[in-house]
Amino acid sequence: GAGVSQTPSNKVTEKGKYVELRCDPISGHTALYWYRQSLGQGPEFLIYFQGTGAADDSGLPNDRFFAVRPEGSVSTLKIQRTERGDSAVYLCASSSSGGGDYEQYFGPGTRLTVT
Amino acid sequence: GIQVEQSPPDLILQEGANSTLRCNFSDSVNNLQWFHQNPWGQLINLFYIPSGTKQNGRLSATTVATERYSLLYISSSQTTDSGVYFCAACSNDYKLSFGAGTTVTVRA
Repeated sequence: GAGVSQTPSNKVTEKGKYVELRCDPISGHTALYWYRQSLGQGPEFLIYFQGTGAADDSGLPNDRFFAVRPEGSVSTLKIQRTERGDSAVYLCASSSSGGGDYEQYFGPGTRLTVT
Repeated sequence: GIQVEQSPPDLILQEGANSTLRCNFSDSVNNLQWFHQNPWGQLINLFYIPSGTKQNGRLSATTVATERYSLLYISSSQTTDSGVYFCAACSNDYKLSFGAGTTVTVRA
């Protein structure tokens, strides 16, 4: 079956611009997560959705970052006024249910480069 | 949050060799996963193993939850096994905390 998909695979933007990154979870998965991976490091948690609501956004670095999941399926991560330090690979994951006891499956990521 | 430490940081193997990767974690876990990150950056699920032992082909994993560690075994390594191996764990929540990874290089 189809896995988690993310678009675009690569995004180059200029400092100060707005970007949107999209995630399509595995069909039927109610829990969705965003992580960020900087070069040479492991991914770090950003935000967790159970259904349509953001159950935990404690990992978002600041208020320039925002994410939505309006219909409980597709999610969009939005970054305003991008900075060079935002350059990283943004990974989306989903699991069949929330609560942490379920295996998380990751998408291929979006590589964001801010010039 | 939970701390996850992996060792060794780098591993160079001759094709056909066996190896063991270790993951230590600082708290009780409700989720522990092993991943292989391929050269294109995709995280491939290897094992979901908060406790016990599992095997999948040439790979196997064991988690001893009471002693807070997990081991990933690679037998008869192949060049396609090269890449970064991550251990990640959750402790009473849903946020996977990743270790720094073990970079494995298998030489023909």
